[in-house]
Amino acid sequence: KAGVTQTPRYLIKTRGQQVTLSCSPISGHRSVSWYQQTPGQGLQFLFEYFSETQRNKGNFPGRFSGRQFSNSRSEMNVSTLELGDSALYLCASSPHGVNEQFFGPGTRLTVL
Amino acid sequence: SQQGEEDPQALSIQEGENATMNCSYKTSINNLQWYRQNSGRGLVHLILIRSNEREKHSGRLRVTLDTSKKSSSLLITASRAADTASYYCATDEETSGSRLTFGEGTQLTVNP
Repeated sequence: KAGVTQTPRYLIKTRGQQVTLSCSPISGHRSVSWYQQTPGQGLQFLFEYFSETQRNKGNFPGRFSGRQFSNSRSEMNVSTLELGDSALYLCASSPHGVNEQFFGPGTRLTVL
Repeated sequence: SQQGEEDPQALSIQEGENATMNCSYKTSINNLQWYRQNSGRGLVHLILIRSNEREKHSGRLRVTLDTSKKSSSLLITASRAADTASYYCATDEETSGSRLTFGEGTQLTVNP
């Protein structure tokens, strides 16, 4: 099976802009989770989608949002970008959302 | 915020030696997992241990879990240069279901 794919791999934006990141899970996986990784805060959970419904949400402001499509592909959107949003954004999929997560390579977002 | 702490933050050893990393967490958990990350890439799942298990083996990996002390350790035996990476423990808490909470990570360097 193909692994989790994320696009784009690298992105440079300026403050105030918005960005959309995409994640294609492993075929058959219905759960997609998003994590933010920064040197200062480490790996932090953003949200999880299961069968097109947000099932769990981390402690991030409303500028961070996501959705999942019927084919389980997921997108996350960050509006009104801030410098502190610069991070590696990781997507993970699993069959049911519990236990082992399969991570994609990440999208490196730089906000200038 | 991080669930717990990992110790040590950095570890440098020679090939062939054993590496031990420790993880502590704060709340009751369902499972504890260990992941590896190579230099800013996606995470790779190594092993999962359930809250009712005390020890688990997978190849050169040995994981222990002490729920009374809320701690876990990962032992890598006969380390190789290819084991150089960051290692993270991750817990899924009883009340949060699918959300993984990561530790701060241990940077392991294995010198040839």
